[in-house]
Amino acid sequence: DTAVSQTPKYLVTQMGNDKSIKCEQNLGHDTMYWYKQDSKKFLKIMFSYNNKELIINETVPNRFSPKSPDKAHLNLHINSLELGDSAVYFCASSQEWSGGAPGELFFGEGSRLTVL
Amino acid sequence: SQQGEEDPQALSIQEGENATMNCSYKTSINNLQWYRQNSGRGLVHLILIRSNEREKHSGRLRVTLDTSKKSSSLLITASRAADTASYFCATGFSGNTPLVFGKGTRLSVIA
Repeated sequence: DTAVSQTPKYLVTQMGNDKSIKCEQNLGHDTMYWYKQDSKKFLKIMFSYNNKELIINETVPNRFSPKSPDKAHLNLHINSLELGDSAVYFCASSQEWSGGAPGELFFGEGSRLTVL
Repeated sequence: SQQGEEDPQALSIQEGENATMNCSYKTSINNLQWYRQNSGRGLVHLILIRSNEREKHSGRLRVTLDTSKKSSSLLITASRAADTASYFCATGFSGNTPLVFGKGTRLSVIA
């Protein structure tokens, strides 16, 4: 069983289009995340959800909208795609530690988005 | 910035040698974690070390943490070609703050 699964793995689309990436975790974790990894491998947090509620929303254009229908799912919808959105998007989940710090993160395999 | 910084950016060694990667950070942490990323794959957790711990081992991996210097190191002993990957440190803070990742060290182990 895949712990954190995200689809699609590859996504090629034109500028201006709208696309979604889906993520599901079967670990029973309370917290889910979206990270963006650029071409230089830099991994940056985009959103964090805890029990379906948005906790963190870093400086991300409002063209990006996360949606969490339940605590096992966190989808990412992107409107009006731009060239600079090309990257690998990773979904992850974790169980919160005592002290409020995240424990081990479990990552999906990534979704490579290419905007032409 | 809360981001950790790995050093070196890239490391190339022969199979059987030891590989050491370092991570420095700027603010007080709750924990520090190391992850591995193989090319085209997701990140995989290696070790978590708490702020009150100084050293942890897992198989051929050894992680140290020096909170006074705000630094950590990851040592891979007797490296193998399969250890070729990017290695990231990530700092964990209290208060619903997600992990912050460094830019990674690219390790190449040559058979």
